[in-house]
Amino acid sequence: DAGVTQSPTHLIKTRGQQVTLRCSPKSGHDTVSWYQQALGQGPQFIFQYYEEEERQRGNFPDRFSGHQFPNYSSELNVNALLLGDSALYLCASSFTWDSSPEAFFGQGTRLTVV
Amino acid sequence: DQQVKQNSPSLSVQEGRISILNCDYTNSMFDYFLWYKKYPAEGPTFLISISSIKDKNEDGRFTVFLNKSAKHLSLHIVPSQPGDSAVYFCAASASGGSNYKLTFGKGTLLTVNP
Repeated sequence: DAGVTQSPTHLIKTRGQQVTLRCSPKSGHDTVSWYQQALGQGPQFIFQYYEEEERQRGNFPDRFSGHQFPNYSSELNVNALLLGDSALYLCASSFTWDSSPEAFFGQGTRLTVV
Repeated sequence: DQQVKQNSPSLSVQEGRISILNCDYTNSMFDYFLWYKKYPAEGPTFLISISSIKDKNEDGRFTVFLNKSAKHLSLHIVPSQPGDSAVYFCAASASGGSNYKLTFGKGTLLTVNP
């Protein structure tokens, strides 16, 4: 049973460009959340998708957008990249009717903006 | 405004001894608390959790204690093993369900010396 998979694992982009990160949730999971982990910080919640809709959003600008597909996989898009967007981007999946909030994380995508 | 705080950036213990990692929170709406472990180049892995209706939860060598009046929780690892060396994140949720975001602390780097 594959866990949460993210692609690519590493990415280098130039300031001002756009980037798309991808996530496949763990089998049986229907909810995908995205987190940004800057160096020396804990993961920060970006947004969560369920039934192809954004259900919750953290304190991130509109440059950050996402999508969830019918097969529950998800994409995170970041437009007009800034140097400060350099971070580890983590995808987490869960089953929305689970009684506990633990989420399963992928290995992350390391984004470097130069 | 950090709602989940891990005030010790690092902790070093001898193999076989007890490791105690601490976490404080400020949001009274948090009712579920989790600990994740993270190795370099991997995503966070769920370790143990506790609901606010309990004050202790145990799983093998890992025990989490919750003091709601002090808004404080701690993770005890006994006995500590070199393979436990990792960054430990405390996280909190304002709901027992999986459809709510996790708020993380900055993490504590645990080093277990042989």
